[in-house]
Amino acid sequence: QKEVEQNSGPLSVPEGAIASLNCTYSDRGSQSFFWYRQYSGKSPELIMSIYSNGDKEDGRFTAQLNKASQYVSLLIRDSQPSDSATYLCAVNNAGNMLTFGGGTRLMVKP
Amino acid sequence: SAVISQKPSRDICQRGTSLTIQCQVDSQVTMMFWYRQQPGQSLTLIATANQGSEATYESGFVIDKFPISRPNLTFSTLTVSNMSPEDSSIYLCSVTRGYEQYFGPGTRLTVT
Repeated sequence: QKEVEQNSGPLSVPEGAIASLNCTYSDRGSQSFFWYRQYSGKSPELIMSIYSNGDKEDGRFTAQLNKASQYVSLLIRDSQPSDSATYLCAVNNAGNMLTFGGGTRLMVKP
Repeated sequence: SAVISQKPSRDICQRGTSLTIQCQVDSQVTMMFWYRQQPGQSLTLIATANQGSEATYESGFVIDKFPISRPNLTFSTLTVSNMSPEDSSIYLCSVTRGYEQYFGPGTRLTVT
């Protein structure tokens, strides 16, 4: 069974710090990797996608992919209280179907 | 991205009844997906709906319980049949644009 694992948290960081969220996956054939942000009571919002090894930066967000070690991470620089949410890692194995991790709850304290 | 709407946004239903959830997309898409998110849990794929063919269900989900229609390339419905309190969840539809998948706002269902 294809699995995606995340630490459920909560991960608590002070405002202005770097939040580091991690995700591991079991299927070596996985090709596409995504991070979603989900506020309480809302649907998931796509914030980052990454397809090749290395780093991808978008504003305060950096996604990192290491296929050899089967992990993907999300760094949030200069964390703000508005970043407090659950972050879902998702992996595309085949046919555009996503497998989601359990999510990590991030709390940014002022 | 994609503009996706769902109806209803929420509902409270009695056990034994059925509810049909509608999903409308702003442009044509080949595949639409239906997910369930139970309280405090992550997302679980229920089925994939392609226009013009039967939906493909994931393990643990059956057509009699979750019938799906896909009459055209911008619309789909999911019915939750013979509901029980265990069906209380958020139901989400999603579509892909290239490799990326976007979600509708969800339907929050409470079964009493």
